[in-house]
Amino acid sequence: ETGVTQTPRHLVMGMTNKKSLKCEQHLGHNAMYWYKQSAKKPLELMFVYNFKEQTENNSVPSRFSPECPNSSHLFLHLHTLQPEDSALYLCASSKPGLASVNNEQFFGPGTRLTVL
Amino acid sequence: ELKVEQNPLFLSMQEGKNYTIYCNYSTTSDRLYWYRQDPGKSLESLFVLLSNGAVKQEGRLMASLDTKARLSTLHITAAVHDLSATYFCAVVGSNYKLTFGKGTLLTVNP
Repeated sequence: ETGVTQTPRHLVMGMTNKKSLKCEQHLGHNAMYWYKQSAKKPLELMFVYNFKEQTENNSVPSRFSPECPNSSHLFLHLHTLQPEDSALYLCASSKPGLASVNNEQFFGPGTRLTVL
Repeated sequence: ELKVEQNPLFLSMQEGKNYTIYCNYSTTSDRLYWYRQDPGKSLESLFVLLSNGAVKQEGRLMASLDTKARLSTLHITAAVHDLSATYFCAVVGSNYKLTFGKGTLLTVNP
């Protein structure tokens, strides 16, 4: 596998379910990100991890819980979601901002989440 | 707070025509990215612009950056159907976060 991978690619869940999204990067990066992409809205940054430490939580509701066990893996744990949380969730990775000339982010294919 | 505005948000073009997408941003930055997204797919990096006056070209697309005007342009030359996609600009703020524009949905008609 190369680049940034995400699983599952599609997920349908009820509001009382608990599920997790997984992201893995094979680029040797140390910064990882979760974004939410809803219809007709700009991409919204949710969380940032640098060297496994969370450095950004963009006022995300607590029903989204990220986890970064190492620099290559990032999870997004979901519980008691609302229908308005239905969206495409994208993971990205980059070299950390301070260490990178251009901080270019590479995106995974996304998980299409539907909350019923 | 950094704001990024793209226009137009929707663009319908005929094949063979030229057009420009504009990206304005509100605070100082010297790093700007253009991404392409096909329906149901992820974002693909097109250009990385790192300095004032930077110009990059790939095929029928050319991107430029004017940091003094806080403006980037993505110029499409002799459009073809394969260029139909949504194009995003994204600007790096002082905290190394990327702020994205809303995207421009480009449709190239035969």
